[in-house]
Parts: sequence; structure tokens; C-alpha cells
Amino acid sequence: DAEITQSPRHKITETGRQVTLACHQTWNHNNMFWYRQDLGHGLRLIHYSYGVQDTNKGEVSDGYSVSRSNTEDLPLTLESAASSQTSVYFCASSVGSGGPNEQFFGPGTRLTVL
Amino acid sequence: AQKVTQAQTEISVVEKEDVTLDCVYETRDTTYYLFWYKQPPSGELVFLIRRNSFDEQNEISGRYSWNFQKSTSSFNFTITASQVVDSAVYFCALSGLLSGYNKLIFGAGTRLAVHP
Repeated sequence: DAEITQSPRHKITETGRQVTLACHQTWNHNNMFWYRQDLGHGLRLIHYSYGVQDTNKGEVSDGYSVSRSNTEDLPLTLESAASSQTSVYFCASSVGSGGPNEQFFGPGTRLTVL
Repeated sequence: AQKVTQAQTEISVVEKEDVTLDCVYETRDTTYYLFWYKQPPSGELVFLIRRNSFDEQNEISGRYSWNFQKSTSSFNFTITASQVVDSAVYFCALSGLLSGYNKLIFGAGTRLAVHP
């Protein structure tokens, strides 16, 4: 069965370190997204991609970067982790045509920055 | 601006009660889509429904129903005869041309607790 996976599921790091969160989907979806979830804010979009070599900034992109070298993967990098980036991170993917389609979400990564 | 407001932060009901979760949206788009997702205690996000702005018919799926009213910019979600398994955080989301057609703007969520 097609799926979307995230790794690691839990991560503890220190302020200033570079961290990369992995996202891998086997749906063959063109669209991929990264969100962060914080209490009182719902899910906020960090970065998104509509295809290979395409990346775009979302609502809360400062301090984060992504790259899309193939259809399956969209890794999220925190350049220099800050305590304000402690959050739960969700990756999602969707079909790229026919209007805004259902997004399929990964299980999430809980990141703690000490 | 595109915005989704879920004014109810938390709702607590007793099993078998009906409960309505409110969702009010703002958009300048004439074509847009609305979504509901469920996040149970296990943490994953589960898609429930997608509705486009041209279809104002109410939707019913088992104990779940959705009421879309463009006149009040609302897309409310009702659970009939609630069950403990309905306990979750529920998110309403909006996607429109101005926001980037494949991007979702989420509300803050409503936490529903159903007690036996």
C-alpha cells in the first residue's frame, strides 16, 4: 500500500545544531508540504513543493529550508535550531491536478530543541 | 486575506449527545474548497471531507453531517449520537486560488471530548 513516512518520529537536539527531518511518500504525488503544529495555532505551512526542483515558502518559513530532488522525498532542514522551533512537524502530499485535493499526512515528528 | 476561525477551543459532551463544531472562513476567492480533518489521540491526521464553493448541498456520512452556508461563510460539522471514539481534535481548512490552490489554511482546531 502507498504511504507517507517521516523519520525520526522523535528528536531532541540542542540550540544551534542543524537538524534534518525526512519525509518519504510512495503515492507518486507531485505536491508535498511541511507543516508545524503548535497549541492554539493549528497547522501552519512551512514550505511546499509542486514537483521536482520546485520549492516555495509558506507562512512560517524563517529558519527552515527544503529541497526536492525526486518525487518521493522532501526533507526539511532547520539550519540552526532554536527553542521556538520545538513543535510537532507533519509532512503531507497530494495529487497535483484537479484542484486542491485531499492531503495525506505522515505520522508526524516531535522535535524538542533544548 | 484567507482565514479560518474555529471559535470553540474545547467541547465536552456525554456519549450519545449530538454536537456541532463551528467553522467560519474568510476568503476573497469565488472558487474555493473547504475541508475537515480529524486528529485522534494517536496523532495522525485523517481526512473527513472536501467541499467546493459551488456545492452548497449538505453532506451526510453515517453519524457525520456537514452544513455549508455561503451566506454566513460557515462550514459546520455535526456528529450525531456521539461516541467515545469521536474524541479528537477536529480541524477545518480552506484552499482557494488566492492562497495557492493546493495549499491548505487551517483553523486552530476544536478539541472534542466525549465521555461515557
